[in-house]
Amino acid sequence: GQNIDQPTEMTATEGAIVQINCTYQTSGFNGLFWYQQHAGEAPTFLSYNVLDGLEEKGRFSSFLSRSKGYSYLLLKELQMKDSASYLCASMDSNYQLIWGAGTKLIIKP
Amino acid sequence: IAGITQAPTSQILAAGRRMTLRCTQDMRHNAMYWYRQDLGLGLRLIHYSNTAGTTGKGEVPDGYSVSRANTDDFPLTLASAVPSQTSVYFCASSDSVTSADTQYFGPGTRLTVL
Repeated sequence: GQNIDQPTEMTATEGAIVQINCTYQTSGFNGLFWYQQHAGEAPTFLSYNVLDGLEEKGRFSSFLSRSKGYSYLLLKELQMKDSASYLCASMDSNYQLIWGAGTKLIIKP
Repeated sequence: IAGITQAPTSQILAAGRRMTLRCTQDMRHNAMYWYRQDLGLGLRLIHYSNTAGTTGKGEVPDGYSVSRANTDDFPLTLASAVPSQTSVYFCASSDSVTSADTQYFGPGTRLTVL
């Protein structure tokens, strides 16, 4: 079956670093997406990985290990506005996204 | 450029009523999608369309229908709403369904079926 696992909730402190993990199991693999979703809003695209390794984009980085079916999103220099849910999604062999339930990140001052 | 718009923003509906959720994109994307998002669950695909004139079933299509008469519009219809269809509905679009293109989401419709 197809399955995406990520923690339900995490708490971090403003200015710190947090790593949100995601493990995936899908029928085929065409890449791993991370989206950010603020409460009551639409998901917005953060990153895409299809090759192993780390992709850095400003304060956000995303890592992929295809052999382990594992990805993480790394957020540095946390700001209060980073309080949101972070959605991990794996693209299967039909180019359809299989979504995790999301990780709610709470930032404390 | 608006991107993707959805209407209505929210709706309370009596069970058994028919309802159409509207979705329009101005990015000339070929592919469009309807998802529902429920607390504790990931986004689940209801229906999708690869291009105007074609549609396909996603993970949870029962009770829903779609049409794609042109590139821009992709309405979702609930023929006879039931309380289990209470959810937040997101429309999304991407350039293609045959490559790993980013999906862009509309603002969502919050639907409550009583």
